[in-house]
Amino acid sequence: GDSVTQMEGPVTLSEEAFLTINCTYTATGYPSLFWYVQYPGEGLQLLLKATKADDKGSNKGFEATYRKETTSFHLEKGSVQVSDSAVYFCALSGGGADGLTFGKGTHLIIQP
Amino acid sequence: GAGVSQSPSNKVTEKGKDVELRCDPISGHTALYWYRQSLGQGLEFLIYFQGNSAPDKSGLPSDRFSAERTGGSVSTLTIQRTQQEDSAVYLCASSFMRAGGTYGYTFGSGTRLTVV
Repeated sequence: GDSVTQMEGPVTLSEEAFLTINCTYTATGYPSLFWYVQYPGEGLQLLLKATKADDKGSNKGFEATYRKETTSFHLEKGSVQVSDSAVYFCALSGGGADGLTFGKGTHLIIQP
Repeated sequence: GAGVSQSPSNKVTEKGKDVELRCDPISGHTALYWYRQSLGQGLEFLIYFQGNSAPDKSGLPSDRFSAERTGGSVSTLTIQRTQQEDSAVYLCASSFMRAGGTYGYTFGSGTRLTVV
């Protein structure tokens, strides 16, 4: 079945550092890929998405490129802020009868 | 409504009591999901509703857990005889279709349940 693997956290960075959170997936067919963010005490919010190979999703300075050849969708940001501290979930939609498949989440901590 | 609404936002209950959690999905979304998120953990799928079809209950952890969706809209998750291990954040989400298509899911803010 479909699966999503994310790097283990917590990831701790200093403000203005470069961020990469790795995400790889296993799926049949051509899934859509998503990154969700969960700020403390809140539900999950859609951060960005990509629906086909080589698409780049972007939002709030975050980017992720759908790489079919490496089955990856790594999240990047050039300069993180303290307000980016949150849990980030990678997910895929296989397009079949099953729902979204989520990774286990990566807790990001940004220190001033 | 504009978003997925969950109530209550926080619930503290005594061990052994029953609790009901409510989810009001986005109008027009036919698919509704319940997830559980224990402290520091990922998302645990509980149950899925699609329109008037029989729900997918494959994620419910025990027969103490049940859910219903009335009129294809509001859903209630009921936990009977609560145990301390039921303490978690319960998240509801809705979407146009189960797979989420290219839109994904829209989540509510969750209900934080504490069993004492």
